[in-house]
Amino acid sequence: DAKTTQPPSMDCAEGRAANLPCNHSTISGNEYVYWYRQIHSQGPQYIIHGLKNNETNEMASLIITEDRKSSTLILPHATLRDTAVYYCIVRVVTSYDKVIFGPGTSLSVIP
Amino acid sequence: DGGITQSPKYLFRKEGQNVTLSCEQNLNHDAMYWYRQDPGQGLRLIYYSQIVNDFQKGDIAEGYSVSREKKESFPLTVTSAQKNPTAFYLCASNRNTGELFFGEGSRLTVL
Repeated sequence: DAKTTQPPSMDCAEGRAANLPCNHSTISGNEYVYWYRQIHSQGPQYIIHGLKNNETNEMASLIITEDRKSSTLILPHATLRDTAVYYCIVRVVTSYDKVIFGPGTSLSVIP
Repeated sequence: DGGITQSPKYLFRKEGQNVTLSCEQNLNHDAMYWYRQDPGQGLRLIYYSQIVNDFQKGDIAEGYSVSREKKESFPLTVTSAQKNPTAFYLCASNRNTGELFFGEGSRLTVL
């Protein structure tokens, strides 16, 4: 089973920030949080990952709570092209073990 | 450019036929994965391989087979034993910092 829980769907107005939550209350100390997104009928795309510090790249920001039991992916200025399913997973970086995806959050960006 | 190539993109099969989906990567990644996705659903793990000549079953391996004779290649065979093979199949490889890189997928339809 997936180690994360996410809301099944969210809406966001175009141009506003999209904040996608993820709960990972059983995360281990050596597990990282990874985010991916999947646009309809395409392969998922890696977005960002982090261990405990907040991370930012050209696509998004990742905020991880101090207890590491939850995180939020932030798309600062959502566009229509950000409409996709977003997946949050946790895993050990050095492990080539199973990587399990949950159902993710379907984000709809509204004009 | 480095990446993962899946072929064919679309495939039609008659009931009772085996079919092999190709997955090739030139990223020099050790680990590779096969996932199945049904309409409106998340990704389910079929098989994964951590190294050449070694692979493990995922959560839904029944009716599928794989081989890993070369680092670059991880073909998936959908056998006639798979009762409901119509689905979108995704192949991925694993970077040593934990990110998965996905191909564009193969859509299999059983007629």
